[in-house]
Amino acid sequence: KQEVTQIPAALSVPEGENLVLNCSFTDSAIYNLQWFRQDPGKGLTSLLLIQSSQREQTSGRLNASLDKSSGRSTLYIAASQPGDSATYLCAVSSRTGNQFYFGTGTSLTVIP
Amino acid sequence: GAVVSQHPSRVICKSGTSVKIECRSLDFQATTMFWYRQFPKKSLMLMATSNEGSKATYEQGVEKDKFLINHASLTLSTLTVTSAHPEDSSFYICSARAMGGQGDGYTFGSGTRLTVV
Repeated sequence: KQEVTQIPAALSVPEGENLVLNCSFTDSAIYNLQWFRQDPGKGLTSLLLIQSSQREQTSGRLNASLDKSSGRSTLYIAASQPGDSATYLCAVSSRTGNQFYFGTGTSLTVIP
Repeated sequence: GAVVSQHPSRVICKSGTSVKIECRSLDFQATTMFWYRQFPKKSLMLMATSNEGSKATYEQGVEKDKFLINHASLTLSTLTVTSAHPEDSSFYICSARAMGGQGDGYTFGSGTRLTVV
């Protein structure tokens, strides 16, 4: 069974700092990987989607990479802002795309 | 982009009553929708996969008689928590997969906070 782990569980950084969130998964046979943001008590907002054939995706200050063979993905946030404070979840879908496995999340706090 | 609407966002009910949560895909058809449950400070756990026009597929350990799922149309799936108890209090989130376009990504509803008193 696919297991998804995120490190660190919590992270606190000063505003303006660049940071990296890590995600690892045990089964490399994935369909795609998706990074989400979740604000307290809210649903999920999709940030970036990487297909299994892709190596990275970028959106604004966010860059996500995927190394399928090693079972790793990173989310890079440049020039962090207090508004970036949230929980970040990565999730991988099975090869058929019909099963979705979430990581444990990284709680990010950006200090003004 | 694809939008999934989930209602209600918050509900408080008495123990023993039933609660229905709706999940709608607003601008796309979703033959398959997914229901997740999230405990405090925990990640999302898939409860069941809702298939339009057929029975839902439940994950191991999820009581299908407790959590009734109906997917009667291509844009609506409902989750009914029957005879709710305090231990059913949780955050429930639905999602649907928008096919094609740039990526077959999953879109999530805004979640429903259920509190059973």
